[in-house]
Amino acid sequence: SQWGEENLQALSIQEGEDVTMNCSYKTYTTVVQWYRQKSGKGPALIILIRSNEREKRSGRLRATLDTSSQSSSLSITGTLATDTAVYFCATDEVSGSFNKLTFGAGTRLAVCP
Amino acid sequence: GPKVLQIPSHQIIDMGQMVTLNCDPVSNHLYFYWYKQILGQQMEFLVNFYNGKVMEKSKLFKDQFSVERPDGSYFTLKIQPTALEDSAVYFCASSPSWGLNQDTQYFGPGTRLLVL
Repeated sequence: SQWGEENLQALSIQEGEDVTMNCSYKTYTTVVQWYRQKSGKGPALIILIRSNEREKRSGRLRATLDTSSQSSSLSITGTLATDTAVYFCATDEVSGSFNKLTFGAGTRLAVCP
Repeated sequence: GPKVLQIPSHQIIDMGQMVTLNCDPVSNHLYFYWYKQILGQQMEFLVNFYNGKVMEKSKLFKDQFSVERPDGSYFTLKIQPTALEDSAVYFCASSPSWGLNQDTQYFGPGTRLLVL
């Protein structure tokens, strides 16, 4: 597998808390994407970080990427109940002329109001 | 934002039957994908498709699977015959382009397939 973590992890926190989720990957990638998947919906890209970036921010989201340890993290500050979802990291393999995403197992985040 | 639609949202069929999953991609997108997600597991790439052709497929894309997009209509995934292990949620995605600075893949809500 591309990803070091094979099992879906679960976190439960209170609204307002900060949270950090981690992923590690095994092979070279030029970009790590973080997706949010709410119940009954497809995944939606929330933040993307490229191999030449160490940190990326978007609103309450912060992604980091350490290419030397092949790991990435996603932090959410001041969580809201609406942040409840499964969060996936994915690497993007550009194979020939086409892209395919390789997803990690994900973290199920429950934010309690 | 751009929306990918999938029809039906749920499908229950008997093992051995044929099933067709339909995807209505974003209108100006040219690249299409199917992913499979078994309950509680990570989503896995099945196939990508461009200009009427399968360009890459994974080992999960068995001989019983086929994809097409006739005349710009739905992008379909057909399974014939189905097996119990095909039970999963199938996600369609589309993107307008590709490459290292590609545009995002937009995902549909998934079709939940249950094979009995």
